[in-house]
Amino acid sequence: GAGVSQSPRYKVAKRGQDVALRCDPISGHVSLFWYQQALGQGPEFLTYFQNEAQLDKSGLPSDRFFAERPEGSVSTLKIQRTQQEDSAVYLCASSLFAVNYGYTFGSGTRLTVV
Amino acid sequence: DAKTTQPPSMDCAEGRAANLPCNHSTISGNEYVYWYRQIHSQGPQYIIHGLKNNETNEMASLIITEDRKSSTLILPHATLRDTAVYYCIVRVEWTGANSKLTFGKGITLSVRP
Repeated sequence: GAGVSQSPRYKVAKRGQDVALRCDPISGHVSLFWYQQALGQGPEFLTYFQNEAQLDKSGLPSDRFFAERPEGSVSTLKIQRTQQEDSAVYLCASSLFAVNYGYTFGSGTRLTVV
Repeated sequence: DAKTTQPPSMDCAEGRAANLPCNHSTISGNEYVYWYRQIHSQGPQYIIHGLKNNETNEMASLIITEDRKSSTLILPHATLRDTAVYYCIVRVEWTGANSKLTFGKGITLSVRP
């Protein structure tokens, strides 16, 4: 596709429910990032993939957060036993390689935990 | 990565130049200055980056002071669609796995008609 696609666009989950957020990066992009953006704040790094390898997961806030990219393209961010503090916009970004001309971000998934 | 400081907000009139300042007094010699912007309900969008020379592209110009401790993003003719949060980020260009971006709170630019 022409851009990074994320689905669903909006997700409402009951506290304790598991959720899965999907990211379709630009075809051929090697690098993929997940960020979390709380209301009124800048995005915060969660995890980084280079192809299928998760090279950095230092930003994942707890072991309830899990990300995968099994075939080096589509990625899924899973949150188990959601809590209210998980409510945020989850952004995915990809780049052709670790190119620093700028990553392309998706529009994000807004997760609301009630 | 070095920390950046931006005022929380500013506004400008449509059609006028918008000059967005950023301080990065602890920047290292191998760190670049990047600018991204985020329009409401969208993901951040890359604008421009530079090391020490001034840079210009179709979106904006980046002016970096000689001591590299501060920079200014210039939108030459602001339009209403430029209303967004603008993030100034300092980081090394490519560090393999450590190529993440560290965003602050950014500066909210409001372009008025």
